[in-house]
Amino acid sequence: EIAMTQSPATLSVSPGERAVLSCRASQSVSTNLVWFQHKPGQAPRLLIYGASTRATGIPARFSGSGSGTDFTLTISSLQSEDFAVYYCQHYVNWPLEEITFGGGTKVEI
Amino acid sequence: EVQLVESGGGLVQPGGSLRLSCAASGFSFSSYWMSWVRQAPGKGLEWVANIKQDGSDRNYADSVKGRFIISRDNAKNSLHLQMNNLRDEDTAVYYCARGGFRMDVWGQGTTVTVSS
Repeated sequence: EIAMTQSPATLSVSPGERAVLSCRASQSVSTNLVWFQHKPGQAPRLLIYGASTRATGIPARFSGSGSGTDFTLTISSLQSEDFAVYYCQHYVNWPLEEITFGGGTKVEI
Repeated sequence: EVQLVESGGGLVQPGGSLRLSCAASGFSFSSYWMSWVRQAPGKGLEWVANIKQDGSDRNYADSVKGRFIISRDNAKNSLHLQMNNLRDEDTAVYYCARGGFRMDVWGQGTTVTVSS
């Protein structure tokens, strides 16, 4: 089973600053990589799929990059509503029985 | 409005059973894979199971295989998770999500607590 490791566990930033979050796979996952945002008491929100494609309605300040084993989520200028936990998640195309989330990065003020 | 609403959570003793439901609205339910994902207290997200549009393909995480059963009723736009032989470590908020791997719509979750 492929393990997903996110770093750092916690990222302290100020509004307006850039945040760079890392996700590493234990073996290549090509671009089968998704990013979610999760706030306490709310439903998770899909941000990025295919490693770099923004989901519908996601602001341009969110961008994803990477392939193989190393991936990055960049938030170019943090807004107050961006403080949350961010998860990466990989999947195997077929069968759809290996879906693994990383441990998450908490972005805090 | 596209919406998923979970129900059925509660307190159950170890070894007990519980059936979760997810009511879908605002989209063509029968056209999508559907998934269950959970979050234990203080922990991250964990994929639980998914099911193909017509129910012909179902996949489970190793942690629930043999104990949980995912099913759907396309006529009623509903997704279900039958949870048997529950363990303490199954305590979590359970989310229903649209999609088999790229989960683009999520419910608010229903809380399951396994405790004696």
